[in-house]
Amino acid sequence: AAGVIQSPRHLIKEKRETATLKCYPIPRHDTVYWYQQGPGQDPQFLISFYEKMQSDKGSIPDRFSAQQFSDYHSELNMSSLELGDSALYFCASSSQGREAFFGQGTRLTVV
Amino acid sequence: GQNIDQPTEMTATEGAIVQINCTYQTSGFNGLFWYQQHAGEAPTFLSYNVLDGLEEKGRFSSFLSRSKGYSYLLLKELQMKDSASYLCAPLTGPDKLIFGTGTRLQVFP
Repeated sequence: AAGVIQSPRHLIKEKRETATLKCYPIPRHDTVYWYQQGPGQDPQFLISFYEKMQSDKGSIPDRFSAQQFSDYHSELNMSSLELGDSALYFCASSSQGREAFFGQGTRLTVV
Repeated sequence: GQNIDQPTEMTATEGAIVQINCTYQTSGFNGLFWYQQHAGEAPTFLSYNVLDGLEEKGRFSSFLSRSKGYSYLLLKELQMKDSASYLCAPLTGPDKLIFGTGTRLQVFP
């Protein structure tokens, strides 16, 4: 069965650079979520989309933005990167409010 | 605001039963999920409760009391591979799944 695909799996950026993370949800899923998980931390909700429209926002810094495209893939754009942005970034998708399935994550390291 | 409480750590022995409690206070509630997460891996879905009561799924069961803002995950016949973090996650809006801090369970032989 198709799963949530995230790319890249690993990314190394320097401070003040920009990063773009991509997520391809499970086909026919109507909701996409983005999470940030620091070392030893729980996943922190960043933002979600329902049917390509932003539906809810969590603790997402102003330097971050996200969108969902017509083909349902989503991108998380992160600018002016800081050392503290180093984390695992998960994307998840769900259908009709049921369980969310997670991608394998993108490990971002800012140096 | 949103508040989700779980014990930080628990230990148990192989073959035993363990109950992981979760209390929550959220501004909205559309159901509660439990996820398992091994270090460095993605969370994987375990169970979902939207109505009060017990949901059983093999070795795992989950209980919900909406009036008390309380849920628990029951793991039976523990195995070493059950050593992981267990995350309580209320769906606080139609599209807002919030995670608790997680309970790190260590299973000993």
